[in-house]
Amino acid sequence: SYELTQPPSVSVSPGQTASITCSGDKLGDKYASWYQQKPGQSPMLVIYQDTKRPSGIPERFSGSNSGNTATLTIGGTQAMDEADYYCQAWDSSTVVFGGGTKLTVL
Amino acid sequence: QVQLQESGPGLVKPSETLSLTCAVSGYSISSGYYWGWIRQPPGKGLEWIGSIFQSGSTYDNPSLKSRVTISVDTSKNQFSLKLSSVTAIDTAVYYCARHTAHTTVATRYFDFWGRGTLVTVSS
Repeated sequence: SYELTQPPSVSVSPGQTASITCSGDKLGDKYASWYQQKPGQSPMLVIYQDTKRPSGIPERFSGSNSGNTATLTIGGTQAMDEADYYCQAWDSSTVVFGGGTKLTVL
Repeated sequence: QVQLQESGPGLVKPSETLSLTCAVSGYSISSGYYWGWIRQPPGKGLEWIGSIFQSGSTYDNPSLKSRVTISVDTSKNQFSLKLSSVTAIDTAVYYCARHTAHTTVATRYFDFWGRGTLVTVSS
């Protein structure tokens, strides 16, 4: 079965750029979505189709996808961005989620 | 604004069937989109269970397929999940969510989620 691998944790200082990776075999040939989940809340879509931001998502969130790696980048990270982030892709007609990355804003 | 709300028993006994319903407001299920179920064991990541279209066509996670039944009731604007023969490893927060129905499957994404409901499997 298809797998997506994320680092368990990433730390960033306020105002700096955070990058969260998601790796999978030929992931660049698929589309990646990213979800933010804060404690006690449901996931929220922040990036879809590799690079697109839903309405209401700040411009500091951006995405890329090439080769075997998709990347979520948060520029000028704020304390409110501290959360778990999950990547997601499709393998045929099956939804696959990455294991999640806890972003800590120190 | 699309809203989804899960409901169902919070406690299910081992070997029994877990049953949940997701009520949708702010959008008619009959108008399109897929409607899915995702779960999250305590302290762990997300696992997709399956999805259903307005027509009733479904597709499921192969690892759960034999135990999963997803159905839709357009007259009540809701859809449901049944997971049979549950064990403790099925303990999780269960979310319902909407995902797009692009012709190209790979471009689909989950755009609205319910708040989730915790289901504990225990005797």
